Amino acid sequence: DTAVSQTPKYLVTQMGNDKSIKCEQNLGHDTMYWYKQDSKKFLKIMFSYNNKELIINETVPNRFSPKSPDKAHLNLHINSLELGDSAVYFCASSLRTAEAFFGQGTRLTVV
Amino acid sequence: DAKTTQPTSMDCAEGRAANLPCNHSTISGNEYVYWYRQIHSQGPQYIIHGLKNNETNEMASLIITEDRKSSTLILPHATLRDTAVYYCIMENTGFQKLVFGTGTRLLVSP
Repeated sequence: DTAVSQTPKYLVTQMGNDKSIKCEQNLGHDTMYWYKQDSKKFLKIMFSYNNKELIINETVPNRFSPKSPDKAHLNLHINSLELGDSAVYFCASSLRTAEAFFGQGTRLTVV
Repeated sequence: DAKTTQPTSMDCAEGRAANLPCNHSTISGNEYVYWYRQIHSQGPQYIIHGLKNNETNEMASLIITEDRKSSTLILPHATLRDTAVYYCIMENTGFQKLVFGTGTRLLVSP
């Protein structure tokens, strides 16, 4: 059983499109995150939700909108995709500490 | 953002201990030291964390100096599968926010 699963694993899309990445965790954790890893391999937090409430929003363009329908899911919707959005996006979850479990990542390529 | 300093890269022979240092001279009293690693093309993986006492688990040991300004992650018997980028992170925002630096690229060779 995968603890933190993201879909899709790969996503290739054209500029201007809208796309979503889904994330689910079956660990019973109360906090979920989205991280972005750019082409230079820098990993940076984008958002964090605790029990469906937004806790961290790190100066991310408002084209990115996280949605948490319940505490086991945190989806990332991206509007009007740009070339610079190409990256690997990681979902993660944790329970009251920074001991986080990460998904395998979604490689987004905008062409 | 990262408040830690790590060597860019290190090499280790398979079967030997890998000792990865981290300087965190500006650490505050309530900040924990976390270690993660990222194996190529995978998501980051939690290894261990500590506040001031040394810690050990099935993956590694964490040695924190008495003044807490530096720490060392020890992989006692490195294997080829331990080749990865290792990140040392300070954390106590109350929001479990991990700020990743550039880490140390550990290469374990036969």
